[in-house]
Amino acid sequence: DIQMTQSPSSVSASIGDRVTITCRASQDVGNWLAWYQQKPGKAPKLLIFGASNLQSGVPSRFSGSGSGTDFTLTISNLQPEDFTTYYCQQANSFPWTFGQGTKVEIK
Amino acid sequence: QLHLQESGPRLVKPSETLSLTCNVSAGSISSSPYYWDWVRQPPGKGLEWIGSIDYRGTTYYNPSLKSRVNISVDTSKNQFSLNLSSVTAADTAVYYCARGGDIVVIRWFDPWGQGTLVTVSS
Repeated sequence: DIQMTQSPSSVSASIGDRVTITCRASQDVGNWLAWYQQKPGKAPKLLIFGASNLQSGVPSRFSGSGSGTDFTLTISNLQPEDFTTYYCQQANSFPWTFGQGTKVEIK
Repeated sequence: QLHLQESGPRLVKPSETLSLTCNVSAGSISSSPYYWDWVRQPPGKGLEWIGSIDYRGTTYYNPSLKSRVNISVDTSKNQFSLNLSSVTAADTAVYYCARGGDIVVIRWFDPWGQGTLVTVSS
């Protein structure tokens, strides 16, 4: 299985800040990488697919980059609704696997 | 807008079989090349992919669960189902159904059902 490691596990930031979350794959996954946002008690929501493509309806302050084994999710100009947990997912090979999650907290 | 909704028992006894159904509305399971997936999340923990099925019944399973999992589809009812046998407390989780793409060019989960918490306890 491909292991996905996110860092940091949690990050504290203020409204208006820029936050970067990293996801590292244990082997090359090309551009087969997605990012999800999950709010407490809710299902995950697709934010980014194909490493850098913004899902329809997702604010442009979210952006993704990377390829191969190293990926980043950047949230610019943090808004109150962005303080929650984010997961990466590799879709290069079965079984699909997720990172352990990164919680963005209010400083 | 496509909508998915999980249903099934919320409490299952150890060693028994967990059975859930995902009803798909505002779209047909059999009218597209998409796969339909189950993902679970133990309380306070991360996400684990369980498996996928397409409308023809082609399945892919997570090897870690493969010996206990069966996913089936009923196109006449526009739903797909999950059976997980010989459950233990470790199977306690929120179970989500989701559309999983066509595997060829789309391999992401969108949309998701709201999820249902299944507790394994005697």
